Amino acid sequence: KNEVEQSPQNLTAQEGEFITINCSYSVGISALHWLQQHPGGGIVSLFMLSSGKKKHGRLIATINIQEKHSSLHITASHPRDSAVYICAVPWYNTDKLIFGTGTRLQVFP
Amino acid sequence: EPEVTQTPSHQVTQMGQEVILRCVPISNHLYFYWYRQILGQKVEFLVSFYNNEISEKSEIFDDQFSVERPDGSNFTLKIRSTKLEDSAMYFCASSIGGMALHFGNGTRLTVT
Repeated sequence: KNEVEQSPQNLTAQEGEFITINCSYSVGISALHWLQQHPGGGIVSLFMLSSGKKKHGRLIATINIQEKHSSLHITASHPRDSAVYICAVPWYNTDKLIFGTGTRLQVFP
Repeated sequence: EPEVTQTPSHQVTQMGQEVILRCVPISNHLYFYWYRQILGQKVEFLVSFYNNEISEKSEIFDDQFSVERPDGSNFTLKIRSTKLEDSAMYFCASSIGGMALHFGNGTRLTVT
């Protein structure tokens, strides 16, 4: 069983649509990371959160610690949002990050 | 904005050769990491480094791997005797600690 599960694996959307990507985890964590991997391979950290909700521009991340679930939302999606979105959690209170397999998002104009 | 830089961007080596992948973390960061991503697979943690020593390592990080911070700015990953299965993208990352990670652009290692 994977410690970090993401859904969906693939997602296509029309420009302007509201996007939701889900992450469920089975380990105890101190914080959860949402990352974006560009088509060229580079990785950018979007959010690190341990409770509640964070917002940055059109991106919103929420986490429910009791349910061990997090969501990443993109409002008014744009083709430049096309990327792989990865959820990662630390293995209990260690530095060892466990990564999900990612959600590949394609936004068409 | 400060960046994590990795060199080279692509390294080709023959099986059995030693490789050193180099990273320059952001200057005021204290925690350093190496991750790898085999083509088509998820990112995997290799090792974390703090206060000049390894703080965590994964099962992948066996005796063939080592890390070093030789001069206070560079952070290197050495693979002593490369195998075909070491072919992957290797990412370096750094953080202040308890904060978001900053990733380099990766080094693609191809072992032939």
